[in-house]
Amino acid sequence: DVKVTQSSRYLVKRTGEKVFLECVQDMDHENMFWYRQDPGLGLRLIYFSYDVKMKEKGDIPEGYSVSREKKERFSLILESASTNQTSMYLCASRGDGAGQPQHFGDGTRLSIL
Amino acid sequence: AQSVTQLGSHVSVSEGALVLLRCNYSSSVPPYLFWYVQYPNQGLQLLLKYTTGATLVKGINGFEAEFKKSETSFHLTKPSAHMSDAAEYFCAVSNTGGFKTIFGAGTRLFVKA
Repeated sequence: DVKVTQSSRYLVKRTGEKVFLECVQDMDHENMFWYRQDPGLGLRLIYFSYDVKMKEKGDIPEGYSVSREKKERFSLILESASTNQTSMYLCASRGDGAGQPQHFGDGTRLSIL
Repeated sequence: AQSVTQLGSHVSVSEGALVLLRCNYSSSVPPYLFWYVQYPNQGLQLLLKYTTGATLVKGINGFEAEFKKSETSFHLTKPSAHMSDAAEYFCAVSNTGGFKTIFGAGTRLFVKA
């Protein structure tokens, strides 16, 4: 069974802090994704990566960056946290091929005060 | 461009009643279609997917969905609702050669005793 692990379930940070969200998958998947989930808006793609050190902007990349130094790990970075980045963040991984399903972590609920 | 529309942000059914969650998509090429379920405080997990072949797809927990190309629909059904089906359900679409999966806004299912 694929396991996607997000480092924190709940996180509280202050405005202006640099925030790191970590995600690890154990299935050797090439593709990894970061989404944010807000009520009524579904999942919105922030960034994705299709290989080590490769990254592509999603639909809402502003205020975020990512790092993928190893295949199994994909980190999301909030450069200077703001209150409008309070949200649920979901990490996912996927094998090769658009017909493959995504496998999700349990999410990190981030609050920026 | 791809898009997904889920009709009804909230659906309420009685235990034992039919569950019908509606999903319409737009895609310029043959799509891959997915339904995911999210239980409280968890990530999304795959219910079922359509890639090619049989248009009636069976998933876990007694759910099924039918791909209707002429109606650009992929509605999710279950003959008899159970209390444990209460969750949020997401329809999603992706295309061959693409990395992105587009998610609908979600439908929250309530099951009344």
